[in-house]
Amino acid sequence: QSALPQPASVSGSPGQSITISCTGTNSDVGGYNYVSWYQQHPGKAPKLLIYDVTNRPSGVSNRFSGSKSGNTASLTISGLQAEDEADYYCSSYTTGIYVVFGEGTKLTVL
Amino acid sequence: QLQLQESGPGLVKASETLSLTCIVSGGSISSSRYYWGWIRQPPGKGLEWIGSIYYGGSTYYNPSLRSRVTMSVDTSKNQFSLDLSSVTASDTAVYYCARQERATVITTGTGRLNWFDPWGQGTLVTVSS
Repeated sequence: QSALPQPASVSGSPGQSITISCTGTNSDVGGYNYVSWYQQHPGKAPKLLIYDVTNRPSGVSNRFSGSKSGNTASLTISGLQAEDEADYYCSSYTTGIYVVFGEGTKLTVL
Repeated sequence: QLQLQESGPGLVKASETLSLTCIVSGGSISSSRYYWGWIRQPPGKGLEWIGSIYYGGSTYYNPSLRSRVTMSVDTSKNQFSLDLSSVTASDTAVYYCARQERATVITTGTGRLNWFDPWGQGTLVTVSS
């Protein structure tokens, strides 16, 4: 199975909000609430931002939020900060394949 | 605080087997709540799940790599390992190990592979010709 489609890049100015989409099917994103999001800064390991579609791990800013509608999951970052500039990946459980990641989205803070 | 650390050679010859170990500290690998996974990232590209293992030894592999992947767990040493055979230049990547939540399906008790946290720092493995 190919990676879940995500926009290759998004951008926003400090203080603005942006949303990154992750499009799947009813065999993955749409069929299960096992969607997670990761933030990766250059040269660093990914960091868990959102799990089970909407939940934030302890220590993750409430500026990060997750949602899902049908087969599309979304990550919203509000009040953009320079430190949010990074790559973002979604991931989902998927029938038969078990785990699939998104293609990744590069966020630029203007 | 749980920590994971990958170890293994940074250079592997084409057609040989890539072998990595992930040492878990600050917690037990023998937890019913978690799987233990391997993920890789080729230079400049996205993340790819390789496979996951349960402390009891059950394994789950990415179908695209299944024929070349073997994972094992050593609970006495609190570590798990990855072998990837017949490597080519396309296997050059940063390899991460991570703890993975086992989401339990209430009605059946079966587990599903869920989110990864925490991750190791990653180790670059280059396949040379």
